[in-house]
Amino acid sequence: GAVVSQHPSRVICKSGTSVKIECRSLDFQATTMFWYRQFPKQSLMLMATSNEGSKATYEQGVEKDKFLINHASLTLSTLTVTSAHPEDSSFYICSARDEVPSASTDTQYFGPGTRLTVL
Amino acid sequence: AQTVTQSQPEMSVQEAETVTLSCTYDTSESNYYLFWYKQPPSRQMILVIRQEAYKQQNATENRFSVNFQKAAKSFSLKISDSQLGDTAMYFCAFMRPYSGAGSYQLTFGKGTKLSVIP
Repeated sequence: GAVVSQHPSRVICKSGTSVKIECRSLDFQATTMFWYRQFPKQSLMLMATSNEGSKATYEQGVEKDKFLINHASLTLSTLTVTSAHPEDSSFYICSARDEVPSASTDTQYFGPGTRLTVL
Repeated sequence: AQTVTQSQPEMSVQEAETVTLSCTYDTSESNYYLFWYKQPPSRQMILVIRQEAYKQQNATENRFSVNFQKAAKSFSLKISDSQLGDTAMYFCAFMRPYSGAGSYQLTFGKGTKLSVIP
């Protein structure tokens, strides 16, 4: 159980185009999903918290208009990188928090990540 | 705000030996969760072990166990009988419990790169 999928796993795009990344919780409902960015040999940097049915909460320094987040259902959140540029090239990871009201299950589970390369 | 510190950027261990990874944290909360996640070269983040702060008993998962010292705010991971597949980055993380009024994120340490040597 507690599987999170992420699609695509790898994407290459031209500068100026938009890219959409999907994050799905496959066997549990996730009121909250998180989007992270990871640079080589570094820890995960939280970009935003995505709440189902409401606007995402962005971390300081993250451009809301560039990184659009939509959490339309309890199992799906999407991250759209708009007008991508080479500096947006990175590894993006989503996670979903299993919030079944039990202390023994309150945990975040991660997708496999998406490697974005902007040419 | 919470902080998580992993003071060992890199470690190595011989196959079949035991290794301990260190983690300290700072918080004013009394109830919280602590985690160790593993990130192998595939970069998939995998949950290794989880500890609830109100539980005094240390969590164990097969070859993985923790030494949770709440007063000292210390949460170390012990890997017994190390295997080649344990080679990975290990991240210690802190999370506040779900309150219903909002959901809180994980706070990660910078990670420890563990290499298991044949």
